[in-house]
Amino acid sequence: AQKITQTQPGMFVQEKEAVTLDCTYDTSDQSYGLFWYKQPSSGEMIFLIYQGSYDQQNATEGRYSLNFQKARKSANLVISASQLGDSAMYFCAMRGGSQGNLIFGKGTKLSVKP
Amino acid sequence: DGGITQSPKYLFRKEGQNVTLSCEQNLNHDAMYWYRQDPGQGLRLIYYSQIVNDFQKGDIAEGYSVSREKKESFPLTVTSAQKNPTAFYLCASSIVAGGYSYEQYFGPGTRLTVT
Repeated sequence: AQKITQTQPGMFVQEKEAVTLDCTYDTSDQSYGLFWYKQPSSGEMIFLIYQGSYDQQNATEGRYSLNFQKARKSANLVISASQLGDSAMYFCAMRGGSQGNLIFGKGTKLSVKP
Repeated sequence: DGGITQSPKYLFRKEGQNVTLSCEQNLNHDAMYWYRQDPGQGLRLIYYSQIVNDFQKGDIAEGYSVSREKKESFPLTVTSAQKNPTAFYLCASSIVAGGYSYEQYFGPGTRLTVT
């Protein structure tokens, strides 16, 4: 069965520092995709970054990068130069299976301190 | 502006009543999804639809129903059979290519409270 595990219920980071949010996954599929979403207190889910299982390079989008270690089945999100507006819940998700639907982890609450 | 709208943002109902949550998208996406989120939890898939007039059950479809009569619209009905309907409901849509969905874009959500 496919599964996403986020082991950090909450994280604190000082403003302007970098932070890594952990995500491990379990799948028997050869082709899959990994996503990170941000959920501010307003509730809307905001797509941040995507990594395909066959992508050779780690994905980057602005201050977000995905540290993809296929052998370890991990897809950690790195946020550089944290900002107060980065305080939110962060969800890791995986696309897999014949229908290609997303499976979500339970999330990590990130708090950025001034 | 392109996007996904959900209405209303907050919804209150008495136990035993059916209630329909609206979801509309103008992104021209083929696939649409409904998720449920409970406090401290991730998202769980209720129903999804990859084409008009076709939809599939997700992991927690019991007590819910959907329709997909138009590409832009995917309303969710929470029936009285749903034992714990109070939750935050999120609608999403995505492009489908090669049978796989790509990144999903979400609406603002509807917070349903049933008493």
